Amino acid sequence: DQQVKQNSPSLSVQEGRISILNCDYTNSMFDYFLWYKKYPAEGPTFLISISSIKDKNEDGRFTVFLNKSAKHLSLHIVPSQPGDSAVYFCAATLYNNNDMRFGAGTRLTVKP
Amino acid sequence: DAGITQSPRHKVTETGTPVTLRCHQTENHRYMYWYRQDPGHGLRLIHYSYGVKDTDKGEVSDGYSVSRSKTEDFLLTLESATSSQTSVYFCAISPDRIEAFFGQGTRLTVV
Repeated sequence: DQQVKQNSPSLSVQEGRISILNCDYTNSMFDYFLWYKKYPAEGPTFLISISSIKDKNEDGRFTVFLNKSAKHLSLHIVPSQPGDSAVYFCAATLYNNNDMRFGAGTRLTVKP
Repeated sequence: DAGITQSPRHKVTETGTPVTLRCHQTENHRYMYWYRQDPGHGLRLIHYSYGVKDTDKGEVSDGYSVSRSKTEDFLLTLESATSSQTSVYFCAISPDRIEAFFGQGTRLTVV
């Protein structure tokens, strides 16, 4: 039962343009959402998070949007840079719960 | 970078043999996790620990056991390795059960 889904396995964008990565979840009880970035042969690294009481969180070039009614969140990267090329994982959890659920990941390629 | 080290980084083992993976942290974080990463599945939680000798099962715990005898070490044991356990294993630590810091991973191949 995959409670967090990233339906696009890959995304390719031109440098300087916007990258939009999408994520859907099925468990309406989730109240905290995170994005992780992963380079080859490395562990995932935390990128940005959002709690369910907010609908937007911004950190530099990265913005996460949360639509609770649609059970959907998205990560916007503006402007995209070649160094952003990586696999991005969406994750969701219940606050104070140890069972964080991850999506399958989206491979982003930013072309120079 | 968070002080988290996994060993070994790569291992090839035969079906039916026991295997132990080690995770060592220098951050004194309370929470430690073992995940496996497989194509099409993302990261799935195997076991986690919320303190010394305090552990619990995750989503895919069958065939795995863990131990945490010290704050800094969290061991994952495959009692009798099977080909379905070929995967990349990640250890993670967290101070608050929200933001997690991951190790570099262990690539395990069971032949």
